[in-house]
Amino acid sequence: EVQLVESGGGLVQPGGSLKLSCAASGFTFSDSAVHWVRQASGKGLEWVGHVRTAFNFFATAYAASVKGRFTVSRDDSANTAYLQMNRLKAEDTAVYYCGRQKLDGSGYHIDYWGRGTLVTVSS
Amino acid sequence: DIVLTQSPDTLSLSPGEVATLSCRASQRISYNYLAWYQQKPGQPPRLLIYGASIRAAGIPDRFSGSGSGTDFTLTINTLEPEDFAGYSCHQYVMSPWTFGQGTKVEIK
Repeated sequence: EVQLVESGGGLVQPGGSLKLSCAASGFTFSDSAVHWVRQASGKGLEWVGHVRTAFNFFATAYAASVKGRFTVSRDDSANTAYLQMNRLKAEDTAVYYCGRQKLDGSGYHIDYWGRGTLVTVSS
Repeated sequence: DIVLTQSPDTLSLSPGEVATLSCRASQRISYNYLAWYQQKPGQPPRLLIYGASIRAAGIPDRFSGSGSGTDFTLTINTLEPEDFAGYSCHQYVMSPWTFGQGTKVEIK
């Protein structure tokens, strides 16, 4: 059974940092790209960024709203992806989901999601 | 960036009725790389449709997707009580990947 479990969320002050983890099981993690998507309370889904596989040199991409502040990475030996968030702002407050793109190639969508972890940026 | 605009924002219907949800893209989505997700409060998104019209595993056949280019539709035939939820479209043809703002299907 495919499972993704996020952790690391919590309350952080503006300007602070937080690192989220996404632990995967039930599939060949190294074959999949991993995406981070967030959702502010009462709002729609917002794609944050992704990390591709070793075959694609662990390439990353980010939404303009987080570029330069957030970093997505992965450790295939631990079946885990990470989202390092720096210089956090109030508008980064959201539930953060990780999602699996089954195969790292054109035309593959996010098919499984974790249950999310809440990040609150407030003083 | 590809902007996805969903309409309506809210759809008020009764069980047994048909729901028609629209998703319009600001530019052509090649290869129909468009997905639909269902989301209930406090839960993650659930994949319904990918490739604009392909039902994901385990999704009832009352859910169907159609469209191409810039205009896409999710149809839910004979609404069941568990179908009252939020629905989002999503394009995965071009980075940055983007989502529509969502349509809420509520009980009338």
